[in-house]
Formats: sequence, C-alpha cells, structure tokens
Amino acid sequence: DTAVSQTPKYLVTQMGNDKSIKCEQNLGHDTMYWYKQDSKKFLKIMFSYNNKELIINETVPNRFSPKSPDKAHLNLHINSLELGDSAVYFCASSQDLGNRGLGTQYFGPGTRLLVL
Amino acid sequence: TQLLEQSPQFLSIQEGENLTVYCNSSSVFSSLQWYRQEPGEGPVLLVTVVTGGEVKKLKRLTFQFGDARKDSSLHITAAQPGDTGLYLCAGAPHNNGNDMRFGAGTRLTVKP
Repeated sequence: DTAVSQTPKYLVTQMGNDKSIKCEQNLGHDTMYWYKQDSKKFLKIMFSYNNKELIINETVPNRFSPKSPDKAHLNLHINSLELGDSAVYFCASSQDLGNRGLGTQYFGPGTRLLVL
Repeated sequence: TQLLEQSPQFLSIQEGENLTVYCNSSSVFSSLQWYRQEPGEGPVLLVTVVTGGEVKKLKRLTFQFGDARKDSSLHITAAQPGDTGLYLCAGAPHNNGNDMRFGAGTRLTVKP
C-alpha cells in the first residue's frame, strides 16, 4: 500500500479556475505538509499541519487554502489559478518527534499542475 | 539568500568517479537530513545526521556533519548510473521539525 498518496497526478487547467489536490497518508503520522517545487527543482514548504491544526503557513497567496478533515488527510484548494502556480506540488507526512530531532518526511508522488 | 546553500548545483560525471556535494549554512542545526529525488517521484530520505562531526556511511555514500553543525557533505565513491538524481539537504531552523527547509539541491548525472 502506498504510504502517502496524492490525486490527481497531473492537472491541466485554465487560468482563473479553482482546483483541489487531495492527499492521504496511512502511516499514522500526526504532521502533514504541502510543498511546492518549481521548474528549477527548488522545494519550498507551504503549509504544515499537526493534528489538524495549522502550524506553519509560509508566505503563500491566500488563494491557497489547506483543509484537513482528519489526521490522515490534508487537501490543498487553490482559487483563481494563475500561470505562476504551475509547479509540482508534493504532500508529505512525518511523525512529530518534538525536541528529539527531525522525523523522516515521507513524500507523495507529486501533482504536476499546469495552468494555461 | 537561502538558509541552506548547496553546491555544486549541477554535476555530471562518468561511472566509477568519486564526488562530493556540499550543504552549507550560517545557522546552526540540531540535525540535517539528506534526501534523494528521482525524476517523477518525491524525495526519499537517505540519512539524518545529528551529532557535530558525525560520519555515517550508507554503502558507497558517506555523510558528514560539520563540527559546528552548520554544514554537511555527501561523498559518493565509485558512482554508478543508478546514483543519478537530485540530492537535497534539509534542516529545521530552531529545531522545529514541523518547519523543514530544503536546499536548492545538487542535480547529479552519472554517465555509463
């Protein structure tokens, strides 16, 4: 079974549309993330959720809104899509180790978003 | 300026050669991680280094954490085409594991 799954894998849409990307993890982790990887392969954190509460909210446009219905799911909704939103979006999960160090981040396969 | 600077950005070598990639910062980290990402997939953790001066080996890969815990290196011995990929270092400022920061990566190509 896939540990972290994302749907869809590919998403091609027109500028101005609203779209959602879904993420599910079956690892029992308590922290989930969304990352954006641009064309230069730079991976940047967007959001971090711990036990359904937003922990990290990087400076991303408020057109992006994470929604976590439960600990195993963290979806990403994007309003009014723009050309610059084209990128690969990765969902990840990890177990929060507190001050005991970094947990392993398990990444999904990515969603390749192309805005036309 | 990124929190974690990786060099080189690109590296293309022949099979059998050795190489070293670097991850540097002006900040101190309680631990650093190295991930490898293959085309079309998400990053996969290779190692976590937690102690200053620590050296960890994973087959032909040797990871070192700097004494001051501001830098790390990855050395690959006798590189193989299967080592091709994007190598990313990552760390959490202020030891907040929920706030992972990645370097820009080193894209390695090993030619047969």
